[in-house]
Amino acid sequence: GAVVSQHPSWVICKSGTSVKIECRSLDFQATTMFWYRQFPKQSLMLMATSNEGSKATYEQGVEKDKFLINHASLTLSTLTVTSAHPEDSSFYICSARDPNSGGSSTDTQYFGPGTRLTVL
Amino acid sequence: QKEVEQDPGPLSVPEGAIVSLNCTYSNSAFQYFMWYRQYSRKGPELLMYTYSSGNKEDGRFTAQVDKSSKYISLFIRDSQPSDSATYLCAMSFRGGYQKVTFGTGTKLQVIP
Repeated sequence: GAVVSQHPSWVICKSGTSVKIECRSLDFQATTMFWYRQFPKQSLMLMATSNEGSKATYEQGVEKDKFLINHASLTLSTLTVTSAHPEDSSFYICSARDPNSGGSSTDTQYFGPGTRLTVL
Repeated sequence: QKEVEQDPGPLSVPEGAIVSLNCTYSNSAFQYFMWYRQYSRKGPELLMYTYSSGNKEDGRFTAQVDKSSKYISLFIRDSQPSDSATYLCAMSFRGGYQKVTFGTGTKLQVIP
């Protein structure tokens, strides 16, 4: 299947600072990427859909001014958590759809390894 | 009511046992059904993918979808300690184009 990477895998920051997380599709071009958040012992919840060359679409309840998404190229999407606070500490995971899938083949999303954010 | 319900476990089985994992869902518009495996502090890894109702087998894994009952299952035969992980059921309306809705995950432990 398609390979998605994330960087960094783990970050600790002070309250009030901003943190940028990168998501890359390594062996395919992704016009659409997705950002999920997972709190301990909970499932993944979609935060926003990132579209190359256009504005991201945010899920209800997700602050777009706090979680800035930039999908500047077909292989890179970034999530910036601005003015991070301890309640933003979570596991952030991106995913992308392989455009070579579809039809009878596996038409789903492939997930990155995740980024664990801890805000002190 | 959650869109996708999944027993969080934990589920402990002896090595070699057959494992049965299940999810129910409420929205009949779901068309694509997946099972992901997630190790601690890692991203989900796609295990099985099924479109609409039916069965799919891949090695020791079998996925079943019963859309009439809104019920999906994952069976693991000859379970191994390396199968110990959290298993997430997931589904979507339009394949990879739209968000994937996940269950809460079932934590499985296979005891040697």
